[in-house]
Amino acid sequence: ETGVTQTPRHLVMGMTNKKSLKCEQHLGHNAMYWYKQSAKKPLELMFVYSLEERVENNSVPSRFSPECPNSSHLFLHLHTLQPEDSALYLCASRSRGGELFFGEGSRLTVL
Amino acid sequence: EDQVTQSPEALRLQEGESSSLNCSYTVSGLRGLFWYRQDPGKGPEFLFTLYSAGEEKEKERLKATLTKKESFLHITAPKPEDSATYLCAPRTGGFKTIFGAGTRLFVKA
Repeated sequence: ETGVTQTPRHLVMGMTNKKSLKCEQHLGHNAMYWYKQSAKKPLELMFVYSLEERVENNSVPSRFSPECPNSSHLFLHLHTLQPEDSALYLCASRSRGGELFFGEGSRLTVL
Repeated sequence: EDQVTQSPEALRLQEGESSSLNCSYTVSGLRGLFWYRQDPGKGPEFLFTLYSAGEEKEKERLKATLTKKESFLHITAPKPEDSATYLCAPRTGGFKTIFGAGTRLFVKA
């Protein structure tokens, strides 16, 4: 398998649930990203990890908790979300030249 | 604060009708620009990196150009399969990659 894989592709959760999004990259890159994409809005940068250290945290609410156990895996832990958190969550890995390679995204619906 | 503006927001073309998309930006530490294509419900797909003003890159019916303050994505004789949202993102020396809101392109057969 190649590229960037995100699971699950679709997730429906209640406001009191706890769930996690997973991202795995097979490109040998050292940096990974989480973006949020809401309808008719630009991609919003959430977090960036480089060599398993968080290097960007774009004022994201604490109900989103990232985890990067190694350079190939990235998680986004979700708890007590709000309906306005419903969006497409995109993971990307970054090449040395700065190009981003995205997964297909996880479509999250918060009821 | 870094800003990226894309225009138009949406563009409707007939098949074969050439046009251009614009990306303008105010960014500190600029080292070039990226273009991406995004199909509905999918992640963006990398198209081009432009490193300096005056540079051009081509891929099939797409040609990207770069000046000091803006970039253009020219689409020559588009086909319906070129319909997508096209995103630009300035290239800087840091990890923070900011995208424009995109141009939604519709090409009708």
